[in-house]
Amino acid sequence: EAQVTQNPRYLITVTGKKLTVTCSQNMNHEYMSWYRQDPGLGLRQIYYSMNVEVTDKGDVPEGYKVSRKEKRNFPLILESPSPNQTSLYFCASSSYQGQPQHFGDGTRLSIL
Amino acid sequence: DAKTTQPNSMESNEEEPVHLPCNHSTISGTDYIHWYRQLPSQGPEYVIHGLTSNVNNRMASLAIAEDRKSSTLILHRATLRDAAVYYCILFNDYKLSFGAGTTVTVRA
Repeated sequence: EAQVTQNPRYLITVTGKKLTVTCSQNMNHEYMSWYRQDPGLGLRQIYYSMNVEVTDKGDVPEGYKVSRKEKRNFPLILESPSPNQTSLYFCASSSYQGQPQHFGDGTRLSIL
Repeated sequence: DAKTTQPNSMESNEEEPVHLPCNHSTISGTDYIHWYRQLPSQGPEYVIHGLTSNVNNRMASLAIAEDRKSSTLILHRATLRDAAVYYCILFNDYKLSFGAGTTVTVRA
């Protein structure tokens, strides 16, 4: 089954403790992206990747890092999480530019 | 980035069609028009997309204005399962912007 898998689905952690949210897709897609969703602000793009080793900033990249060492994986790294990064995060992938995006089920992060 | 404008909410009766408008007056020639919907507690789900011509699939139809400055998503017969937030976005240059979307309510 074609899917985008995010882990963990839920996480409560404390300020400053590094964390990684993993994202994996099994569709051999070139394009992957991370979004955060906050009440009243909709979905905002954090980072995206056009292919292996090619990444770029979205609208809200501050406080986040990403890497794309393999085509299927696109982890989101919070080096020193802060409470303002408490949010619902979605990973998405598509075959290439302009094509339909497949979204994961989301990761709810709470940073205390 | 090219942006889109949608009404905040729309209501429909079950089994009736729903027409969701979207304005994108600053669209560029290579921007694809995408529609997604998001049900409560779920990730966004792809609905339909197009570039210049009208498109149909099993979920909906997409009507694109001749000048491409607006489009309309058509749900032909709304069901209770179609109640969701619908997002119209432009997708080309790898960067995407989701607006607030249109909250669709379907009355039984």
